Amino acid sequence: AQTVTQSQPEMSVQEAETVTLSCTYDTSESDYYLFWYKQPPSRQMILVIRQEAYKQQNATENRFSVNFQKAAKSFSLKISDSQLGDAAMYFCAYTQGGSEKLVFGKGTKLTVNP
Amino acid sequence: EPEVTQTPSHQVTQMGQEVILRCVPISNHLYFYWYRQILGQKVEFLVSFYNNEISEKSEIFDDQFSVERPDGSNFTLKIRSTKLEDSAMYFCASVSQGMVAKNIQYFGAGTRLSVL
Repeated sequence: AQTVTQSQPEMSVQEAETVTLSCTYDTSESDYYLFWYKQPPSRQMILVIRQEAYKQQNATENRFSVNFQKAAKSFSLKISDSQLGDAAMYFCAYTQGGSEKLVFGKGTKLTVNP
Repeated sequence: EPEVTQTPSHQVTQMGQEVILRCVPISNHLYFYWYRQILGQKVEFLVSFYNNEISEKSEIFDDQFSVERPDGSNFTLKIRSTKLEDSAMYFCASVSQGMVAKNIQYFGAGTRLSVL
């Protein structure tokens, strides 16, 4: 079974600084998709960024980027120029694609200090 | 922007009672999911639904759970006889036919279920 591990239960960053959240996963598949979801205090799950395993290029979305290391099965999220609104739980998730279920990690709580 | 809507936002019930959690997926979406998140734990998959039938279900989704799409817009999760351990946040998600290859799931804001 696929598993997703987030080894950092909590992280903090100063406003305007950069922070990296770690995620590793375990799968025997060669084709899959990885996601980072943000869950603010409102509890809504918001898609931050998505990576297709067959693409070597790391995905970027404005201040958010990933470091995808397929061989190491690592998928970290970098947040640049952190803002107060980035404070949330961040969940790493995996899916084999298509209409398959998402498998989530336990999450990392990010605090942004002014 | 279209969004997935869940009602109620908070449901309180007595142990042993039946509850129905409601979701209105985005209108042109065809794939539907329920997930749950026990407080302080990770989000767990419960069930996926396509073409009016269950596509996949987890071990959590036992005979006490059922899903239904009673009309063209609603997608419901029913728990027949609630237990204390069913207390959790329940999330509905949906995917459009055009996005299924990318598996971009759109989530609702969740229903917090409290079983007393």
